Amino acid sequence: GAGVSQSPSNKVTEKGKDVELRCDPISGHTALYWYRQSLGQGLEFLIYFQGNSAPDKSGLPSDRFSAERTGGSVSTLTIQRTQQEDSAVYLCASSLDEDEQYFGPGTRLTVT
Amino acid sequence: AQSVAQPEDQVNVAEGNPLTVKCTYSVSGNPYLFWYVQYPNRGLQFLLKYITGDNLVKGSYGFEAEFNKSQTSFHLKKPSALVSDSALYFCAVRGRSNTGKLIFGQGTTLQVKP
Repeated sequence: GAGVSQSPSNKVTEKGKDVELRCDPISGHTALYWYRQSLGQGLEFLIYFQGNSAPDKSGLPSDRFSAERTGGSVSTLTIQRTQQEDSAVYLCASSLDEDEQYFGPGTRLTVT
Repeated sequence: AQSVAQPEDQVNVAEGNPLTVKCTYSVSGNPYLFWYVQYPNRGLQFLLKYITGDNLVKGSYGFEAEFNKSQTSFHLKKPSALVSDSALYFCAVRGRSNTGKLIFGQGTTLQVKP
């Protein structure tokens, strides 16, 4: 079956612009996670969804970052007023409750 | 606080030799432990996990890992390395009481030379 998909695969944006990153999880997976991978910080947790609710937003680095999930499926991560330090690969993962997480290919964000 | 340490930035091994990639963890209570592999410009691929039960866990592509509670370690092993095993390996932990988020180590680059 289809794995986790993310779009776009690459995004170049100017500092100060808003960006939206999309994640389509594996069908039926109730849990969805966003992580960020950067050279300086490694792999960092951002936010966790169970269904459409986000019980853990502790990893969002600032109020410029927000995410939503609709229909218990697709999720969008929005970064407002992007900064150069936001440049990273944004990874989405999904899982069935406490099982292993399956990751998408990521969105490489470059802020110029 | 939960944490994971991978003490080696890079591991070099000759093809056909056994390999070990080290991981130690710190978590309250009993952990869930995972290994993931990342090939260049790709997402993370799940290799194996320890939840409970047998301390020796077998996973994909001939990899295995041994959970050692007293040493708080979860080292990844393979009896005979392949050149195609060359990649970036991440150890991760989650606590049983948290929301499922994974805490990752900094990653270890495995280089297998022919």
